[in-house]
Amino acid sequence: DVKVTQSSRYLVKRTGEKVFLECVQDMDHENMFWYRQDPGLGLRLIYFSYDVKMKEKGDIPEGYSVSREKKERFSLILESASTNQTSMYLCASSLRGGLAGRDTQYFGPGTRLTVL
Amino acid sequence: AQSVSQHNHHVILSEAASLELGCNYSYGGTVNLFWYVQYPGQHLQLLLKYFSGDPLVKGIKGFEAEFIKSKFSFNLRKPSVQWSDTAEYFCAVKRGGGFKTIFGAGTRLFVKA
Repeated sequence: DVKVTQSSRYLVKRTGEKVFLECVQDMDHENMFWYRQDPGLGLRLIYFSYDVKMKEKGDIPEGYSVSREKKERFSLILESASTNQTSMYLCASSLRGGLAGRDTQYFGPGTRLTVL
Repeated sequence: AQSVSQHNHHVILSEAASLELGCNYSYGGTVNLFWYVQYPGQHLQLLLKYFSGDPLVKGIKGFEAEFIKSKFSFNLRKPSVQWSDTAEYFCAVKRGGGFKTIFGAGTRLFVKA
């Protein structure tokens, strides 16, 4: 089974802090994604990566950055956390993409981040 | 812009009732369609998916969905729900050949025992 793990289930940070969320997948998937999940809004894509060192902005990238130095690891960085970034953050990975276009996403357990 | 609309935000049913959750999307080209489910305290996971072929697809736990291209719809159905189906259900659409999957806002289903 595909396993996607996230570094923390719960995180509490203060406004202005730099926050790192880590995601690791163990199935050699090319694609990795970061979403935030908010009630009534579903999942919104922050960033995705289709290869090592490659990244693309999603629908809500403002205030976030990402890093993918190794294929299995995709990090989300909040450069200066703000209260409106309080949310559930989900990482996902998938095999293939692009022209293949048939990939199912496998999700991690999520990190509930609270910014005070 | 591509969008996904789920008709109901909250649904409450009694056990053995039939379920239909509506999903419509806005993109007119080739699409890949998904329903994901998130049970309380668990990861989001795939329920079923459609890529091509038979528009009626069957997933896990007795769920099925029908793709109606002319209506841009991909509704989820189950003839008889169980208490264990209590969960949040997300419809998702991916444009063929693309990377991004667009998710609907989700429908919270509560099944009364």
